[in-house]
Amino acid sequence: EADIYQTPRYLVIGTGKKITLECSQTMGHDKMYWYQQDPGMELHLIHYSYGVNSTEKGDLSSESTVSRIRTEHFPLTLESARPSHTSQYLCASSESGDTDTQYFGPGTRLTVL
Amino acid sequence: GQQLNQSPQSMFIQEGEDVSMNCTSSSIFNTWLWYKQDPGEGPVLLIALYKAGELTSNGRLTAQFGITRKDSFLNISASIPSDVGIYFCAGPWISGGSNYKLTFGKGTLLTVNP
Repeated sequence: EADIYQTPRYLVIGTGKKITLECSQTMGHDKMYWYQQDPGMELHLIHYSYGVNSTEKGDLSSESTVSRIRTEHFPLTLESARPSHTSQYLCASSESGDTDTQYFGPGTRLTVL
Repeated sequence: GQQLNQSPQSMFIQEGEDVSMNCTSSSIFNTWLWYKQDPGEGPVLLIALYKAGELTSNGRLTAQFGITRKDSFLNISASIPSDVGIYFCAGPWISGGSNYKLTFGKGTLLTVNP
């Protein structure tokens, strides 16, 4: 069982608001990831981190930003939410190494009105 | 990045039937992963395969790592209604230096009629 947590699970917010999606893992994994997924669709990598103070943009361009100040914590921030940001956001983590077996959190379903 | 071709896109079956889905790639993978995602939830790892030819079971699920290292399949035997969901295959590829990123198939939507 993976120990990776995301809060909130659901968020409905108005346009222009600043939001932070939280992600924490207790497995001591160095690598963490954020994916964006529309319902029933494929996963798109938007950010990843290979360790503290390391962050990279993923394959899908996103207006969100991330930080990695502590190993266990990888929050995602949107400075000004827009309806086009409405989606499911999934956080994942994995150990260092070449297998990259990722474990996912339950996701945050974001709706921007 | 690398592409994984997952098929079928969707399946509609009767409870009790067996199910088979597969993933192929034009590139070699060292690992194959199979995930299941329930609506509104994150993907859950079902089976991880780390060796060519490996056949691994997890309850009614069986997955194999193809000998060519370019494909994998997942079988579900005696399906039940709670098997409904989207099944994703995934494999890591080198994104730079010694770092790896996962590439995902587009998923197989499974519907089980009771």
